[in-house]
Amino acid sequence: GENVEQHPSTLSVQEGDSAVIKCTYSDSASNYFPWYKQELGKRPQLIIDIRSNVGEKKDQRIAVTLNKTAKHFSLHITETQPEDSAVYFCAASKGTDKLIFGTGTRLQVFP
Amino acid sequence: NAGVTQTPKFQVLKTGQSMTLQCAQDMNHNSMYWYRQDPGMGLRLIYYSASEGTTDKGEVPNGYNVSRLNKREFSLRLESAAPSQTSVYFCASSEIGAAGELFFGEGSRLTVL
Repeated sequence: GENVEQHPSTLSVQEGDSAVIKCTYSDSASNYFPWYKQELGKRPQLIIDIRSNVGEKKDQRIAVTLNKTAKHFSLHITETQPEDSAVYFCAASKGTDKLIFGTGTRLQVFP
Repeated sequence: NAGVTQTPKFQVLKTGQSMTLQCAQDMNHNSMYWYRQDPGMGLRLIYYSASEGTTDKGEVPNGYNVSRLNKREFSLRLESAAPSQTSVYFCASSEIGAAGELFFGEGSRLTVL
């Protein structure tokens, strides 16, 4: 089955700096790659997603890139702010059945 | 419009006891999921239901059973709880399954002593 690896497990940045979180997946048939943000004590919420027919997608300060050949995808956050502090999860799926998550990255943004 | 509602929010069990986590969604979604969240291990899929009347195993199904009661409700049962099942459990639903956004409930924190 699908296996998703996520790095780093923790990331600390200064406010205003950029943050990059990387994920790799094992199943070449996977075609949907979302990113979820989970604030402390809250539920995970979708922040951005990308499908396999697209190489990059941006939404204001966040962007996701996908390299299908290498089977990896990344989340980029620019101009980080304290409210970006949270745990971020990548995930992968093929078709409509199972969504498999990575182990999460705890991002801390220091003022 | 409550979204995804889970009950109970907190539960303490003794080893060997049984319990059912309830989940209901009011968004008319076809697919529903149960995940568990443990420190350092992310969100692991226990069971899912792609549509009403179907259920399938996820990554960590052992020790659990599920019931898709109708389109709105998807319950998770622990028949004989073990300390290894201490976790935070999240129910989620999606209109188009794993190819679209999952909407999560608030989570249920379960402790097995």
